[in-house]
Amino acid sequence: AQSVTQLGSHVSVSEGALVLLRCNYSSSVPPYLFWYVQYPNQGLQLLLKYTSAATLVKGINGFEAEFKKSETSFHLTKPSAHMSDAAEYFCAVSGEGYNFNKFYFGSGTKLNVKP
Amino acid sequence: DTGVSQDPRHKITKRGQNVTFRCDPISEHNRLYWYRQTLGQGPEFLTYFQNEAQLEKSRLLSDRFSAERPKGSFSTLEIQRTEQGDSAMYLCASSPHDYGKDNEKLFFGSGTQLSVL
Repeated sequence: AQSVTQLGSHVSVSEGALVLLRCNYSSSVPPYLFWYVQYPNQGLQLLLKYTSAATLVKGINGFEAEFKKSETSFHLTKPSAHMSDAAEYFCAVSGEGYNFNKFYFGSGTKLNVKP
Repeated sequence: DTGVSQDPRHKITKRGQNVTFRCDPISEHNRLYWYRQTLGQGPEFLTYFQNEAQLEKSRLLSDRFSAERPKGSFSTLEIQRTEQGDSAMYLCASSPHDYGKDNEKLFFGSGTQLSVL
């Protein structure tokens, strides 16, 4: 069965500091993995996706994530946080077979960026 | 490509009333999904359509909920006899489901925020 666990519902960093948001997944098949960002009162916007090509995936706004099969992880990082990065971030894993774009989301991590 | 649009953005209703939400997917997308998101949680799958066919419904979707996509274009989600527990953000998403056309991605609308008083 597919599931995602995001460690830490709230993360706070200073502007310019490293951002690390953790995601571990469970999947019975080779997964597709995604990170989405949600700003207040808005829908979800895709940051990046892993679909079995390169294990280090680069996304928009300077974010990247590394797929580590041995650790069943897909952590999101950004070298230097910006105030505009403050938002909620969701990790998601795809469904199986024909339901490959039926996603299972984590509970989200709210990122706070301090000046 | 105008993106996925949802209407209304906000809906306030009294317990026991019926409400209906509309979703217009990206025009060439043939898969359409409904998710529900409550405060502090990630989106939870409710149901999805391939063209006009409803292929799966979550157990979260009680018999008070019904969704349609009559011509394989826009979709409606109706909640009958609303309860306070139905208060949530209802998100619609679409996907092309054709090989090589970003078919593994979901494109989300801005959602309809439902408040049941």
